[in-house]
Amino acid sequence: EAQVTQNPRYLITVTGKKLTVTCSQNMNHEYMSWYRQDPGLGLRQIYYSMNVEVTDKGDVPEGYKVSRKEKRNFPLILESPSPNQTSLYFCASSSFYRGLDGYTFGSGTRLTVV
Amino acid sequence: AQTVTQSQPEMSVQEAETVTLSCTYDTSESDYYLFWYKQPPSRQMILVIRQEAYKQQNATENRFSVNFQKAAKSFSLKISDSQLGDAAMYFCAYRIRSLDNNDMRFGAGTRLTVKP
Repeated sequence: EAQVTQNPRYLITVTGKKLTVTCSQNMNHEYMSWYRQDPGLGLRQIYYSMNVEVTDKGDVPEGYKVSRKEKRNFPLILESPSPNQTSLYFCASSSFYRGLDGYTFGSGTRLTVV
Repeated sequence: AQTVTQSQPEMSVQEAETVTLSCTYDTSESDYYLFWYKQPPSRQMILVIRQEAYKQQNATENRFSVNFQKAAKSFSLKISDSQLGDAAMYFCAYRIRSLDNNDMRFGAGTRLTVKP
């Protein structure tokens, strides 16, 4: 089954404790992206990757890191989480050549930083 | 930068009735895609319907249809014969048609309630 696998689904952590949210896709998509969803703001892009070893900032990159060492994986790293990073996070992937397909999304990670 | 605006934070509809969710967008591009995604309480993002800007014919998927007005930059979603399972957050999204730009812009969302 074509899918984006995102883990964990829920995460509660304390301020300053490094964490990683994993994302993996099995569709050989070139493009991957991370979004955060907050009430009244919709989905805002954090980082994206056009291909292996190619990443770039989105609209709200502060406090986040990403890497793309393999085509299928695109982890999101919070080096020192803060309470304002409490949010719902989505990983998504897509093909450059099938734009009308839109994005395939992971199932989301609900992160709470206390 | 392209922006997507959903002016209705919340909407309500009676079961079996019809409801229309509004979406406008701002772009200087002529070729792009538009999407509506549904997010039920499970949080999963589900593609409901999609439209290519160069196609004037409005897309339809079963009970879901769009009214695409390119000149007005408007892309509304109509849900006919509303069902309880249609209750969800709905997001309008825009994406330029390009081989080197896959970024998608989302509206703030409209929460739809379906009353039995």
